[in-house]
Amino acid sequence: DIQMTQSPSSLSASVGDRITITCRASQNIRTYLNWYQQKPGRAPKLLIYGASTLQSGVPSRFSGSGSETDFTLTISSLQPEDFAAYFCQQSYTAPLTFGGGTRVEIK
Amino acid sequence: QVQLQQWGAGLLKPSETLSLTCGVYDGSFSGYFWTWIRQPPGKGLEWIGEINHVPSINSNPSLKSRVIISVDTSKKQFSLRLTSVTAADTAVYYCARSLVPAGRGLAWFDPWGQGTLVTVSS
Repeated sequence: DIQMTQSPSSLSASVGDRITITCRASQNIRTYLNWYQQKPGRAPKLLIYGASTLQSGVPSRFSGSGSETDFTLTISSLQPEDFAAYFCQQSYTAPLTFGGGTRVEIK
Repeated sequence: QVQLQQWGAGLLKPSETLSLTCGVYDGSFSGYFWTWIRQPPGKGLEWIGEINHVPSINSNPSLKSRVIISVDTSKKQFSLRLTSVTAADTAVYYCARSLVPAGRGLAWFDPWGQGTLVTVSS
């Protein structure tokens, strides 16, 4: 199985901050990397697919980049509604696997 | 806009069989892969498996011997059965839609069902 490692596991930030979350794959997954946001008690929501394509309706302050084994999710100016957990997921090969998650908390 | 609504028993005893169903509303059923994913409390996400209308079925090898995924295209529903559950199977179980089968590169999940907490306890 492809292992997906996210860092940090949690971070504290303020409204307006720029934050970056990293996801590393245990092997080359090209750009088959997706990002999700999950708020407490809710199902995950797709933010970005194909490493960098913003899902329809997702604010442009979210962006994704990377290829092969190293990927990043950036929020350019953190908003109150962005405090949540974020997960990466590889779609290169089965079984599909997720990162352990990054919890973004209010400083 | 397609919506997924899921239901099933939330409390099981060890060795029992988990049974969940997900209904697809206001959207096409054919042409997609319908997926089950779970999340133990406070932990990450695990892909369980998927099915389409044919049905073509894929499942996670870590669970494959215990997983049964089925489909009822006439009702636009798909189901998950997980046999011989233990406390380790306690999780929120989600259904979700994927455009392509796992391993074809473009398998992301959108939308998701609301989730069902399944607790296994004696």
